[in-house]
Amino acid sequence: GQQVMQIPQYQHVQEGEDFTTYCNSSTTLSNIQWYKQRPGGHPVFLIQLVKSGEVKKQKRLTFQFGEAKKNSSLHITATQTTDVGTYFCAGIMHSGGYQKVTFGTGTKLQVIP
Amino acid sequence: KAGVTQTPRYLIKTRGQQVTLSCSPISGHRSVSWYQQTPGQGLQFLFEYFSETQRNKGNFPGRFSGRQFSNSRSEMNVSTLELGDSALYLCASSLTGDAGNTIYFGEGSWLTVV
Repeated sequence: GQQVMQIPQYQHVQEGEDFTTYCNSSTTLSNIQWYKQRPGGHPVFLIQLVKSGEVKKQKRLTFQFGEAKKNSSLHITATQTTDVGTYFCAGIMHSGGYQKVTFGTGTKLQVIP
Repeated sequence: KAGVTQTPRYLIKTRGQQVTLSCSPISGHRSVSWYQQTPGQGLQFLFEYFSETQRNKGNFPGRFSGRQFSNSRSEMNVSTLELGDSALYLCASSLTGDAGNTIYFGEGSWLTVV
């Protein structure tokens, strides 16, 4: 079945350092979504990437979708303590008339002030 | 406008019982999705409803079911509860569920099965 691997599982960075999390799918995706979940909170939708090779930016966050639509990354420039949380990717694939959604395992980001 | 509302927020059930969780999407949103989140399995997609029809589904046993009403409110039901069903159940809504829609999650319903 479809698998979405996400690395690293944990990341501790000093405030001001950059951070990147990567998602790799075992199959070609239709699109990919990224979410952020603060401790004790619910996932918050960040962005959806649809096109091969797409790059989107949201302030200090840069999202990329690979050319083969099997991998994606989220890069945060100059992390802040407000960036703390778990970042999930969700790979979406159309299969048998259904839209199959598979979440990555998440990357837990800790920012040390 | 009001966000996605899930009820109840917390509940405790006994093995073998059944449970019904409710989700009210953001006004105007017609797509409602359900997810299960556990420390061991992470976030897993359960199913999605659009215009009262189940449009997408994940790999969960038939004990997990759902429905959507004409006002887009949705319920999910888990029958014959097992200890492993203890989890945070999240509901999310979007306008149509299609690519490009922003998806909004509710606070979730914490289910403990004892």
